[in-house]
Amino acid sequence: AQSVTQPDIHITVSEGASLELRCNYSYGATPYLFWYVQSPGQGLQLLLKYFSGDTLVQGIKGFEAEFKRSQSSFNLRKPSVHWSDAAEYFCAVGAGGTSYGKLTFGQGTILTVHP
Amino acid sequence: SQTIHQWPATLVQPVGSPLSLECTVEGTSNPNLYWYRQAAGRGLQLLFYSVGIGQISSEVPQNLSASRPQDRQFILSSKKLLLSDSGFYLCAWNGGGLTDTQYFGPGTRLTVL
Repeated sequence: AQSVTQPDIHITVSEGASLELRCNYSYGATPYLFWYVQSPGQGLQLLLKYFSGDTLVQGIKGFEAEFKRSQSSFNLRKPSVHWSDAAEYFCAVGAGGTSYGKLTFGQGTILTVHP
Repeated sequence: SQTIHQWPATLVQPVGSPLSLECTVEGTSNPNLYWYRQAAGRGLQLLFYSVGIGQISSEVPQNLSASRPQDRQFILSSKKLLLSDSGFYLCAWNGGGLTDTQYFGPGTRLTVL
């Protein structure tokens, strides 16, 4: 069974600083990887996804993520954080195939942005 | 375009009372549907998923049940709520393809007192 680890429960950055949120997955085959963002009391919004091809994936709101198979990682990055990026971020892995699109989520990373 | 609705948005129920949460999807047909629960600091836990009308798979044994009476309607129920059922319940859908993305509804905040 697949699993996802987000090692950082809470990260605090200053507005304008760069950001990297870590995600490590465990899965025996090529995974399908996702990053979602959740504002308080809201549903999850898709930031970006990786299925195949170019390992550097661009998403919405200026985010990008890089798939590194050798490190089983899919870290999320943003060069300059805005106050509106404060939210909780979830990494997820899907198995494709006969998994019926089920996703396994990490525990989430809460991002706080200081002015 | 596709949209997903959940209601109610918030719910406060006493222990032992029944529960019915509804999720509907518009703008697509034959979606896969999912119910998740999100407890504070514990990420998202998949509770049920459905690949078609009347087809329900349970991921975690618990006090809850799910039903899919129509193609784009997914209902989460309980006969008697427990305190531990409190949480944020999210419904999601995807197009049914092997690599389709899941899209989430706005969620229902359930507090059991």
